[in-house]
Amino acid sequence: SQKIEQNSEALNIQEGKTATLTCNYTNYSPAYLQWYRQDPGRGPVFLLLIRENEKEKRKERLKVTFDTTLKQSLFHITASQPADSATYLCALDRGNTPLVFGKGTRLSVIA
Amino acid sequence: DSGVTQTPKHLITATGQRVTLRCSPRSGDLSVYWYQQSLDQGLQFLIQYYNGEERAKGNILERFSAQQFPDLHSELNLSSLELGDSALYFCASSGYRREDTIYFGEGSWLTVV
Repeated sequence: SQKIEQNSEALNIQEGKTATLTCNYTNYSPAYLQWYRQDPGRGPVFLLLIRENEKEKRKERLKVTFDTTLKQSLFHITASQPADSATYLCALDRGNTPLVFGKGTRLSVIA
Repeated sequence: DSGVTQTPKHLITATGQRVTLRCSPRSGDLSVYWYQQSLDQGLQFLIQYYNGEERAKGNILERFSAQQFPDLHSELNLSSLELGDSALYFCASSGYRREDTIYFGEGSWLTVV
């Protein structure tokens, strides 16, 4: 069955640094991949979508890469701020069935 | 505000009982999804409806059922509740295209005691 792994459960970084989160997957070749942000006790919020034929996508301080050979996506937050502290989820398209989500990485940005 | 409304926000009930969770999708969205999130399992897809019909089924237990009504709101029914059903249940909605953004509600916290 398909497996999605996000590199770590938690990541702590200093304010101003770049946070890099990893999403690895197996047993599937998704047409696209999405990243969501989730705050404690709240619903996930969509951030970015990247298609299989796109290497990189940017939105303000966010950047996502998608390497279909490595079966990996990297999610970067540059100039991180304490307000960026949240859990970040990657989600894969599985064709005609809804997105499957990773368990997420909890990011803490320390001032 | 995602535009997806879920009720109730919190619910405490006893084992063996039955509860109904309700969801109103974003205006114009025809697809409704239900997800379950627990600490150890992450966000698990349960079921999807599109314009009133079941579109896809995930890891939904037989004790659980859902439906989408003509006005597009949806209900998730959980019966014979067990302690392990305690979780955050999310409803989400999207448009008809495969790549359309999925918008999540704020969730319904279910505690089974």
